[in-house]
Amino acid sequence: GQQLNQSPQSMFIQEGEDVSMNCTSSSIFNTWLWYKQDPGEGPVLLIALYKAGELTSNGRLTAQFGITRKDSFLNISASIPSDVGIYFCAGQISKAAGNKLTFGGGTRVLVKP
Amino acid sequence: GAGVSQSPSNKVTEKGKDVELRCDPISGHTALYWYRQSLGQGLEFLIYFQGNSAPDKSGLPSDRFSAERTGGSVSTLTIQRTQQEDSAVYLCASSLRVASLGQFFGPGTRLTVL
Repeated sequence: GQQLNQSPQSMFIQEGEDVSMNCTSSSIFNTWLWYKQDPGEGPVLLIALYKAGELTSNGRLTAQFGITRKDSFLNISASIPSDVGIYFCAGQISKAAGNKLTFGGGTRVLVKP
Repeated sequence: GAGVSQSPSNKVTEKGKDVELRCDPISGHTALYWYRQSLGQGLEFLIYFQGNSAPDKSGLPSDRFSAERTGGSVSTLTIQRTQQEDSAVYLCASSLRVASLGQFFGPGTRLTVL
């Protein structure tokens, strides 16, 4: 089945740093989504990307939909403590299977001790 | 309510028992999805509903898993004869329509099978 490979699996951030994570797939998706999940909560949608090559920003977050439609990255600029959490990429095939989401394994963002 | 709600928030059960998990979607949302998240993993699709019908049950892991939705609103996910490998967080999401690209998630039910 479809799989999304997300990297890195975890990262440590220091306040003020920029961080980057990416997601690759063996299959094409029509939409890429990035979610953030805090402990004990469901994922919250951060950014949705609808067109290949699209670059979209939401505050300090920037994400791009790869031109091949098989990859995406998420950048967080000037990180702050509340950026800690698990970030998931998700792919969606709009015209099949009811728009179910296929998720990557997540990138756990932690604060440097 | 304003968001997707799920109950119970936590459920501990003994191996072999049946459990029911409930999801209340956002009012007016016709599409409803169930996902499972094992510890430290991403979310795994289980089933989705368009209204009361479930066109895609392909993600259900075994015939011990079933789900229904009545009145186009509340959905229940039932796991019969629970096994330890069923332990996970079960997340529900809803969207305005199947064609809508944004899915809104509930907080999940953490299921522990002893």
